[in-house]
Amino acid sequence: DAGVTQSPTHLIKTRGQQVTLRCSPKSGHDTVSWYQQALGQGPQFIFQYYEEEERQRGNFPDRFSGHQFPNYSSELNVNALLLGDSALYLCASSSGTGGFREQYFGPGTRLTVT
Amino acid sequence: KNQVEQSPQSLIILEGKNCTLQCNYTVSPFSNLRWYKQDTGRGPVSLTIMTFSENTKSNGRYTATLDADTKQSSLHITASQLSDSASYICVVSSYAGNMLTFGGGTRLMVKP
Repeated sequence: DAGVTQSPTHLIKTRGQQVTLRCSPKSGHDTVSWYQQALGQGPQFIFQYYEEEERQRGNFPDRFSGHQFPNYSSELNVNALLLGDSALYLCASSSGTGGFREQYFGPGTRLTVT
Repeated sequence: KNQVEQSPQSLIILEGKNCTLQCNYTVSPFSNLRWYKQDTGRGPVSLTIMTFSENTKSNGRYTATLDADTKQSSLHITASQLSDSASYICVVSSYAGNMLTFGGGTRLMVKP
């Protein structure tokens, strides 16, 4: 049983560019959450997708957008990249959206903006 | 505002020694508290999850405690091993909003 997978593993982009990160949830999970983790800090919640809709959103600008597909996989898009967007982007999946649901994390995508 | 504070920020111990990490939270209404282990550059892996009614939960050499009255939790690591070197993150879930609030983590280094 494959766990949560993310692609790519590493990515280097230039300021102003756009980037798309991908996540496949654990088998049987239908909810995907995205987090940004700056170096040396805890993850910050970006948003959560369930039934192909954004259900919850953290304190992130509209430059951060997402999508969930019918097979429950998800994409995170970031437009007009800033140096401060450099971080580890984590995807977590769960079965259902309740806060008590166990979330399983992927290995993350390391984004570097130069 | 929901917050999770962890202490210490970093810790160095010798292999074989025990240590205790602390977590204080202000998340309300409380649903559950989780401890995750995160190796450098990797995703967090769940160690324990405790609900309001649970005071202690163990996972091998890891033992977590929860005092819901004082809103404090601790993670005790027994007989540390080099592989315990990682960041340990305390995460609190609220019934309101279904979001997780993460602490900043404690970076543990176990030296031989």
